[in-house]
Amino acid sequence: DVKVTQSSRYLVKRTGEKVFLECVQDMDHENMFWYRQDPGLGLRLIYFSYDVKMKEKGDIPEGYSVSREKKERFSLILESASTNQTSMYLCASSSERSTDTQYFGPGTRLTVL
Amino acid sequence: AQKITQTQPGMFVQEKEAVTLDCTYDTSDQSYGLFWYKQPSSGEMIFLIYQGSYDEQNATEGRYSLNFQKARKSANLVISASQLGDSAMYFCAVSNYGGATNKLIFGTGTLLAVQP
Repeated sequence: DVKVTQSSRYLVKRTGEKVFLECVQDMDHENMFWYRQDPGLGLRLIYFSYDVKMKEKGDIPEGYSVSREKKERFSLILESASTNQTSMYLCASSSERSTDTQYFGPGTRLTVL
Repeated sequence: AQKITQTQPGMFVQEKEAVTLDCTYDTSDQSYGLFWYKQPSSGEMIFLIYQGSYDEQNATEGRYSLNFQKARKSANLVISASQLGDSAMYFCAVSNYGGATNKLIFGTGTLLAVQP
C-alpha cells in the first residue's frame, strides 16, 4: 500500500514566521507534488519535483519554495507566512508512468494569524 | 492551457439511486488521462477511476463508471446504487503525458450528499 505522510494535520503560525511542511512517501516514487486547496477553487499546484534536487514551478509558486534532498521527502517552505496563505496543503506522489494516479497525503490545514 | 469544468457545485441523491457527476475538459493534447478523486470530510483524496484518451471502452471500477465522450470532451462519473458513505467532494482531473512529469489539473469539485 502506498503511503504518503505529512508532518502535521493542523498548524497555526503567525504572520512573518518561516513555515516548513514536510511530506514523505514510501513507494520510491519519482514525482512529488504540493497543492493548496481552497473552497471554490479546487486544488492548485504550487510546485512539483520529478527527481532529487529537481523542482519546477506549478501554477501558484509565489510566496513558496521547495526542497527535495532525498527521493522520499519533499518539503514546502513558506519563507514569511502571510494570512492569505491560510489554506489546506496537500502533498502527493506518483511514479513515472503517465497512467499512474497520484497518491495523496492526509493534508495539513495551515492557519496564519 | 488545460482546463477542467465541473458545473455542479452540489448535488443530492437518494440512497440506492444512481447519480452522474459532470466533468468537461479542455486540452489541446492528443494524449491525456482523466482521473476522478473522492474527498470525504476527513480530507484525504481517494483515487476512484482512470480513463486514457485512447481507451475505447469506458472505464469501470466497481460501482464507479466513467462516461467518456471524447468528441464532446466530457468525462462524467456515474455512481450506481449510492450509499451514505458516498457523501463527499468529488474532483475531476486531466493530465498530460508530455514534459518531465505527469501533472494534473483539477476542477473545482462537486459536493455530493446522499440522503437516506
